Amino acid sequence: GQSLEQPSEVTAVEGAIVQINCTYQTSGFYGLSWYQQHDGGAPTFLSYNGLDGLEETGRFSSFLSRSDSYGYLLLQELQMKDSASYFCAVYSGNTPLVFGKGTRLSVIA
Amino acid sequence: DAMVIQNPRYQVTQFGKPVTLSCSQTLNHNVMYWYQQKSSQAPKLLFHYYDKDFNNEADTPDNFQSRRPNTSFCFLDIRSPGLGDAAMYLCATSSQLETQYFGPGTRLLVL
Repeated sequence: GQSLEQPSEVTAVEGAIVQINCTYQTSGFYGLSWYQQHDGGAPTFLSYNGLDGLEETGRFSSFLSRSDSYGYLLLQELQMKDSASYFCAVYSGNTPLVFGKGTRLSVIA
Repeated sequence: DAMVIQNPRYQVTQFGKPVTLSCSQTLNHNVMYWYQQKSSQAPKLLFHYYDKDFNNEADTPDNFQSRRPNTSFCFLDIRSPGLGDAAMYLCATSSQLETQYFGPGTRLLVL
């Protein structure tokens, strides 16, 4: 089977940096994706890591360590609009993504 | 703009009255998914299509059915909605399986 663990809630201050961790157990691992979902909205794709290391897209970065079965999403220069739920998801080949339970990020002034 | 469209955005139905939710895409993706999402939970995959090949998740209730008449359209039929089926229903598409593109969702209310 497959399982993912991520914190249920994180709170951070506007302008700060926050890291959302994700650990996974799966067979046939190909890569790790991250999705953002605002309240009442649909999930939107943020990033995909198929290889170890850091991928940067503007204020957001995502990291993967296959040997540690671990990844994280890093959000810099936090803005109030970054308050949302963030889901990590495992891609294992010819099967649909398996989503984690999500981390609710609250950005406070 | 290429996109995933869901109609209606809000649907109210009565307990036990069949309801159909629709999804269309202009992305020409071969894979389409239906998810159920309840408040503060992760999206739960109900089923997906690789082209016309239908794949049902083992724990998807028989009350839920799906149709995909062509590449662009996919429907979710709930034969006899119960109060527990009130949720957001999300349609998604992909061509490369590691990336999914979601529609805005249909929020279903069962009275």
